[in-house]
Amino acid sequence: QAVLTQPSSLSASPGASASLTCTLRSGIIVGTYRIYWYQQRPGSPPQFLLRYKSDSDNQRGSGVPSRFSGSKDASANAGMLLISGLQSEDEADYYCMIWHSSASVFGGGTKLTVL
Amino acid sequence: QVQLQESGPGLVKPSQTLSLTCTVSGGSINSGDYYWSWIRQPPGKGLEWIGYVYHTASTYFNASLRSRVTMSIDTSKNQFSLNLKSVTAADTAVYYCARDASAYGYFDYWGQGTLVTVSS
Repeated sequence: QAVLTQPSSLSASPGASASLTCTLRSGIIVGTYRIYWYQQRPGSPPQFLLRYKSDSDNQRGSGVPSRFSGSKDASANAGMLLISGLQSEDEADYYCMIWHSSASVFGGGTKLTVL
Repeated sequence: QVQLQESGPGLVKPSQTLSLTCTVSGGSINSGDYYWSWIRQPPGKGLEWIGYVYHTASTYFNASLRSRVTMSIDTSKNQFSLNLKSVTAADTAVYYCARDASAYGYFDYWGQGTLVTVSS
């Protein structure tokens, strides 16, 4: 079982909100990790969006709008990326990441379609 | 503005060694504030972290690649390098170099990536 699992795709309408999930493998407790989120548009390298551990330990990347935010669902053992007021430019692949046993681990990515 | 640029052969034969260099400009690689990583992405697939090198030349690698990977750093040239030996078609990917702001743990600057194809 993968360390981080993301749904492969998600669709949402312009102006709506989208919630992307990143589920940690059983035994890896989400509350103890910072979850990092990256956005990747076609033909470009990933860009850091934000990191989230708690409401008091989180950070958005430089220039990232406030409509991008993070949260956690402890009951689901998952991190979440919330995007409000979806715009066409938000259509991209989104990857979550954690540092686990000193190694960086990425989720498989979610392709967000805005239509 | 920090910039990273990958360079190296775009085609490598099976069983040979893949060698890439990342040149950093706009900032010093000889800083304890950062780790310097390689990350790859097979065509149409997700991201895989390969490992990092620190300015002291210490390294840490993805366990799945550890037996085939070496990394080095040349602070005089502001460059760091990746060697991946015994490559197969499964190593075909876009290879990115990236800077990890160690205090925060995120990759804040990335190269544009270079496609390396393993084929005879």
